[in-house]
Amino acid sequence: GENVEQHPSTLSVQEGDSAVIKCTYSDSASNYFPWYKQELGKGPQLIIDIRSNVGEKKDQRIAVTLNKTAKHFSLHITETQPEDSAVYFCAASTRGGGADGLTFGKGTHLIIQP
Amino acid sequence: DAGVTQSPTHLIKTRGQQVTLRCSPKSGHDTVSWYQQALGQGPQFIFQYYEEEERQRGNFPDRFSGHQFPNYSSELNVNALLLGDSALYLCASSFSEYGTQYFGPGTRLTVL
Repeated sequence: GENVEQHPSTLSVQEGDSAVIKCTYSDSASNYFPWYKQELGKGPQLIIDIRSNVGEKKDQRIAVTLNKTAKHFSLHITETQPEDSAVYFCAASTRGGGADGLTFGKGTHLIIQP
Repeated sequence: DAGVTQSPTHLIKTRGQQVTLRCSPKSGHDTVSWYQQALGQGPQFIFQYYEEEERQRGNFPDRFSGHQFPNYSSELNVNALLLGDSALYLCASSFSEYGTQYFGPGTRLTVL
C-alpha cells in the first residue's frame, strides 16, 4: 500500500520567515495530495490540496508544489505568523479525494518564534 | 453552516467492553470516512461509508465495524476493546467518495 514520509518532524522558524515541509510518497498511482493543519484538541483542518494534473497551487501565504517524477510534494508558508503554530500533516490518495482512504504522514510540529 | 459533528467528546471504557461513536456529516455531504489517530501520529484510515455501504476498508480487524444511516450520519462500533484502541477517533465527510474530506473534532477514547 501507499507510504507517505514527512520531514522534518519539528520545525522552528522566526515570525515573518518562511517555512517548508516536505513529503514523499511511494505509490506512483497517487493523484490527490491534501495538507491539513491540526491544533491542540481539534480535528485536522484542510488548508490546501493539489491534484496530479497540477504542478503548483497557491492560496495567499500558502503554496503547494508537486513533483510527480520524484514522487514528492511540499508545503510552503510565507510571512509566518504566531497563529501558524500547529501540527501539519500531508496525505496522499490514489482515488480522487480519498475514496480509498487518505494515507497520512507522521506530521510536522511547526513552531513560530516571536 | 454546521460542520462535521461527533459525539461523545470523550469516553472511558475498560478492556473487553464495546463502544459506539457517532458522526454527523457536513451539510450536503453524503460520504463518511473514519480514522484512528494515536498520540503523536497521523490519522489512519479505518473505513468509508457511501450509500449506506462500506466501500473501502483500511488495515483494521473485524472488531471495528460501522453503519451509515439514510440521513448520511454514521456510527463506528468497536468490540472487545484493547488497551491499544486508546486513540482519537476522527470522522471526515465529503460529497461523494471522491470529494475533499473535512474532519470533525474527534472522540477521545481511553481504554483502561
